[in-house]
Amino acid sequence: DQQVKQNSPSLSVQEGRISILNCDYTNSMFDYFLWYKKYPAEGPTFLISISSIKDKNEDGRFTVFLNKSAKHLSLHIVPSQPGDSAVYFCAASVSSARQLTFGSGTQLTVLP
Amino acid sequence: EPEVTQTPSHQVTQMGQEVILRCVPISNHLYFYWYRQILGQKVEFLVSFYNNEISEKSEIFDDQFSVERPDGSNFTLKIRSTKLEDSAMYFCASTTSTGATGELFFGEGSRLTVL
Repeated sequence: DQQVKQNSPSLSVQEGRISILNCDYTNSMFDYFLWYKKYPAEGPTFLISISSIKDKNEDGRFTVFLNKSAKHLSLHIVPSQPGDSAVYFCAASVSSARQLTFGSGTQLTVLP
Repeated sequence: EPEVTQTPSHQVTQMGQEVILRCVPISNHLYFYWYRQILGQKVEFLVSFYNNEISEKSEIFDDQFSVERPDGSNFTLKIRSTKLEDSAMYFCASTTSTGATGELFFGEGSRLTVL
């Protein structure tokens, strides 16, 4: 049951360039979407979120775009920095519920 | 900065043994969660807890699992009789938010290895 899918297990980007991480979902009941970052041996850390009433949310170098008709969201990091190298998880929830459904993650490597 | 703390960081146990994983959520948080990640797989929801009772639980959270908030600070996950497939990283999380839209703060995880 893959309600949230991250089809790219890994992505390498040059420092200073844009990183684009993608996520697709199938459950049309999802109305809140989040990105978490995870370093080895640490728990996931919240990065940015977006409600389904918006199509874009920006926080510093991080922007999340939501395309509801395509059931697709993406995370843009610009400019990418070596410290951004981590696993990025997309997650979704139905706001009436309290559980997050996570994607399988994308390992981002930013090369100096 | 307040954080969620978990103990132990790593526990090795024999199949069939009971295990208790402990968590200290952030002090003013109201909602508590356990998630797990089997090596190489997704982070999966196990259970949420609010007002001293379970709010939601997944199919994974069967009768072998239980949660408790024995005092005002600790939140525990007990696995009654561990199986090999329980080997995973277990993450505790907490939030202040009254809905699922709140940011979850995760602990660093407890790695459980069942032999």
